[in-house]
Amino acid sequence: DAKTTQPPSMDCAEGRAANLPCNHSTISGNEYVYWYRQIHSQGPQYIIHGLKNNETNEMASLIITEDRKSSTLILPHATLRDTAVYYCIVRVQGNTPLVFGKGTRLSVIA
Amino acid sequence: DTAVSQTPKYLVTQMGNDKSIKCEQNLGHDTMYWYKQDSKKFLKIMFSYNNKELIINETVPNRFSPKSPDKAHLNLHINSLELGDSAVYFCASSHGPGGANVLTFGAGSRLTVL
Repeated sequence: DAKTTQPPSMDCAEGRAANLPCNHSTISGNEYVYWYRQIHSQGPQYIIHGLKNNETNEMASLIITEDRKSSTLILPHATLRDTAVYYCIVRVQGNTPLVFGKGTRLSVIA
Repeated sequence: DTAVSQTPKYLVTQMGNDKSIKCEQNLGHDTMYWYKQDSKKFLKIMFSYNNKELIINETVPNRFSPKSPDKAHLNLHINSLELGDSAVYFCASSHGPGGANVLTFGAGSRLTVL
């Protein structure tokens, strides 16, 4: 079972920042937060992951609260191609499978 | 170059038939996976192989038999197909199972059982 809670859907205007929240109140000390997304009719795509520090890469930023019970994925300048289902996943690094929840369906609107 | 490629992309077949889906990765990864995405869009892990050895085997009917001839390939064979097997099957690979274990997914194979 997924250990995260995400809003089922969100809208974002094109060119604006998209902030996708995720609650993981039962996260353990050795569990990382991963974000993947699935664009319609494609396979899931890795975005970013982190343990407790904020992380940034060419796709997005990940902000994790100090108590690690929630996080936010930030797409700084959303485009229409960012329309997708975004999955927040917590897991221990190593031989543990990715368990996908329902995710958040992000619609970027022109 | 496609990193994780699956064939066929679409497969339509009758109940009771046996079918296979093939997966190949050219990323040099040593761990491969099969996921199933049903009509409600839930993605569920089915199997995982590391260096050709089965390491994850979720509760899947034994009609499903994965085979990994080498690290770059993981095929999925399904016997006696049922209507409930209709789904999109995704193959994935990673450097793993240790470390960050970031998965790269294929484009999916849509199986329709009539």
